Amino acid sequence: QSALTQPPSASGSLGQSVTISCTGTSSDVGGYNYVSWYQQYPGKAPKLVIYDVSERPSGVPDRFSGSKSGNMASLTVSGLQAEDEADYYCSSYAGSNNFVFGTGTTVTVL
Amino acid sequence: QLQLRESGPGLVTPSETLSLTCTVSGGSITSSSIFWVWVRQPPGKGLEWIGTIYYTGATYYSPSLKSRVAISVDTSKDQFSLRLNSVTAADTAVYYCAKTHSSGYFYFDRWGQGTLVAVSS
Repeated sequence: QSALTQPPSASGSLGQSVTISCTGTSSDVGGYNYVSWYQQYPGKAPKLVIYDVSERPSGVPDRFSGSKSGNMASLTVSGLQAEDEADYYCSSYAGSNNFVFGTGTTVTVL
Repeated sequence: QLQLRESGPGLVTPSETLSLTCTVSGGSITSSSIFWVWVRQPPGKGLEWIGTIYYTGATYYSPSLKSRVAISVDTSKDQFSLRLNSVTAADTAVYYCAKTHSSGYFYFDRWGQGTLVAVSS
């Protein structure tokens, strides 16, 4: 299975929004509503911010939202804050108890 | 609150076997419906799922690593372990252990801090 495709970088101004895409195939993103997103600061472990396409874990601000259409999932961060500057990875169930991650996107807050 | 911590050698010789252990604290590795996961991240690169284990011993591996990897569980110690044989420099990475949520197999809601393993002679 190949890694899901994400743009290497994305940026937005303080208070604005940024959307990150995650493109897969009908065997992973398009085939299941099991896309999750992880935020990772340099030198730190990933942190879950979205699961099951659009669900937010307890404690994650509602500025984070997720969606999916066909083989592409998206993560939107609204009202950008300085602490949102991080790397973001999508992940999808790929069937047969397999998982695949995205290539990762570095978000810069301008 | 459940925590995970990886441990093991930080340096492995090429062609040898990489062995890591993840210790679970603040909870039981036999908790119903929780699966235990290994993920790795080469320096400056993205995340890669390695495999998953349930406390019963049921295992699922990445197709790309399946021929070289083994994950096991020791319920008496609340630990699960990773073995990766015939390592090369391409296996140099930060290795994370993680868990799934009890009501959601398809995402990883808690992670260890990670441990860097370098493959070098």
